[in-house]
Amino acid sequence: DAGVIQSPRHEVTEMGQEVTLRCKPISGHNSLFWYRQTMMRGLELLIYFNNNVPIDDSGMPEDRFSAKMPNASFSTLKIQPSEPRDSAVYFCASSWTDGNIQYFGAGTRLSVL
Amino acid sequence: SQQGEEDPQALSIQEGENATMNCSYKTSINNLQWYRQNSGRGLVHLILIRSNEREKHSGRLRVTLDTSKKSSSLLITASRAADTASYFCATAVRNTDKLIFGTGTRLQVFP
Repeated sequence: DAGVIQSPRHEVTEMGQEVTLRCKPISGHNSLFWYRQTMMRGLELLIYFNNNVPIDDSGMPEDRFSAKMPNASFSTLKIQPSEPRDSAVYFCASSWTDGNIQYFGAGTRLSVL
Repeated sequence: SQQGEEDPQALSIQEGENATMNCSYKTSINNLQWYRQNSGRGLVHLILIRSNEREKHSGRLRVTLDTSKKSSSLLITASRAADTASYFCATAVRNTDKLIFGTGTRLQVFP
């Protein structure tokens, strides 16, 4: 298996633009997690899905952020409109349920100018 | 914040020395895990210890867990330059799929 695949690896955009980050989890995993990592706040859980259903989105910072998981092999995290303070590395991870080991993608480094 | 705390925040040692990192957490847990993150990369799972276990070994790694104190430690023995990375503890919260990550320890091993 290729592991968790995220795209793009790097994204540079201007304030106000829409940004879409993509994630393909490991085949057979039924939980998917989106994290944001910054120097100031460390690694924050934004939202997680179980069997494609959003379970906990309490970490999503504001309505500008949205996430979808239309099927077991694909998820998106969208920011609209983007702001400079959204600049961070965004990670996707997948796992089996019940507090099991999470497998992380390589991350998307987002810079909003 | 539910985020766990780790100390030290940064640690510098010479190759061959042992490195010890500590983690404290706040909630009841199913298990506690340690992850490593190399610069510019995603996190990689190292070891998992269940709430009913007190110590676990994997190669040069030794993890302890004290649920009464809500704390854990990670010991890396005979460190190598390749061990240079950030290390995070993560607690699996009961009745959820969530992991709560600590603030991390940056380890630098000098050759």
